[in-house]
Amino acid sequence: QKEVEQDPGPLSVPEGAIVSLNCTYSNSAFQYFMWYRQYSRKGPELLMYTYSSGNKEDGRFTAQVDKSSKYISLFIRDSQPSDSATYLCAMKDRGSTLGRLYFGRGTQLTVWP
Amino acid sequence: DADVTQTPRNRITKTGKRIMLECSQTKGHDRMYWYRQDPGLGLRLIYYSFDVKDINKGEISDGYSVSRQAQAKFSLSLESAIPNQTALYFCATSDPSGTSRNEQFFGPGTRLTVL
Repeated sequence: QKEVEQDPGPLSVPEGAIVSLNCTYSNSAFQYFMWYRQYSRKGPELLMYTYSSGNKEDGRFTAQVDKSSKYISLFIRDSQPSDSATYLCAMKDRGSTLGRLYFGRGTQLTVWP
Repeated sequence: DADVTQTPRNRITKTGKRIMLECSQTKGHDRMYWYRQDPGLGLRLIYYSFDVKDINKGEISDGYSVSRQAQAKFSLSLESAIPNQTALYFCATSDPSGTSRNEQFFGPGTRLTVL
């Protein structure tokens, strides 16, 4: 079993829809939770970062962490065609001095006009 | 300006050939990483380096080697390429002491095809 599980999709939604992307994990030591966005033929870029449990909002994006369920989510409101990309969740444990991130497989999202 | 650059961007090679992928960064970060990305498998760590004298294996290092020539340069070599090494390869950097200490910054990737 991978430490981080993510449904690869693909997910296709109309413009304006609310998108929900999710990851589950098995390592209870994970404390830092990230979402990266990767456009086609580009490297991943950090989109959202959350420490421990709770919610974080940035414009149309909301990241949620539920450590009791080992479950994280990324919500995109009023989705736009420019949001079409692959979204990867990533995690790191607090005790790690290695800086290693554990990535999900990525979910491919298409927002059509 | 690209902070993390990778060369070449695309490469087609034959089974058994030795190939080197190069990564350079201008971010001044000590930590550098090599990943491969395969459809359905996500990003998998090959090697990582904390500084010029520190190199560590990741989860899938077999068949690969690395060289950290300087703080800014980290190369990945395939000594004898095989078809299942066909993938998208990414270099990344991070700075554990900065305000974005948990963020990794990725290069644009190298698409490698081994025939």
